[in-house]
Amino acid sequence: DAGITQSPRHKVTETGTPVTLRCHQTENHRYMYWYRQDPGHGLRLIHYSYGVKDTDKGEVSDGYSVSRSKTEDFLLTLESATSSQTSVYFCAISESQGGSYEQYFGPGTRLTVT
Amino acid sequence: GIQVEQSPPDLILQEGANSTLRCNFSDSVNNLQWFHQNPWGQLINLFYIPSGTKQNGRLSATTVATERYSLLYISSSQTTDSGVYFCAVERRTNAGKSTFGDGTTLTVKP
Repeated sequence: DAGITQSPRHKVTETGTPVTLRCHQTENHRYMYWYRQDPGHGLRLIHYSYGVKDTDKGEVSDGYSVSRSKTEDFLLTLESATSSQTSVYFCAISESQGGSYEQYFGPGTRLTVT
Repeated sequence: GIQVEQSPPDLILQEGANSTLRCNFSDSVNNLQWFHQNPWGQLINLFYIPSGTKQNGRLSATTVATERYSLLYISSSQTTDSGVYFCAVERRTNAGKSTFGDGTTLTVKP
């Protein structure tokens, strides 16, 4: 157990509404990540953070924003949800050890946008 | 960006059989991990293996970084091995950011 929780675990929302997903860690790791997983695909990186208030874009960042005001929390916001954002969202954490970044994943949040 | 290809995409085995899953990548990597996603969607770390060979029970993995591939071996497969196996690589020039392959879906039949 890597000490990662995600909330909510399931959410159904309507197109055009804002949605915020939360990732919380108890490991005090520096790096945190948000991925999305769609059927038949691996995980794709949305945004990541390398410290409090330090974030950067991943490969599928359009339509998403993130914030990290505390080491333990990383928030993912969909400003105006669209049906194409229906997906399973995973949070991950890692800590640099000698230049390597072994990642550990949370349980996931299933988001449905109707 | 870096390309990660996993093969085969699907694999069906009888319980007790052995299997080899492959991950090819298109650039030098700093890091490679293998994950198992179980039928409940949970992602479980199997190996952190940027190079060399590691073993954990019935599973072992080998990464040949100079030839840009990694292999995951599953011996004496069990029904609980079913799920999707992913490899994820971290490019040397993109530290901290991983790229995942599309996975191999393994079904082990009793």
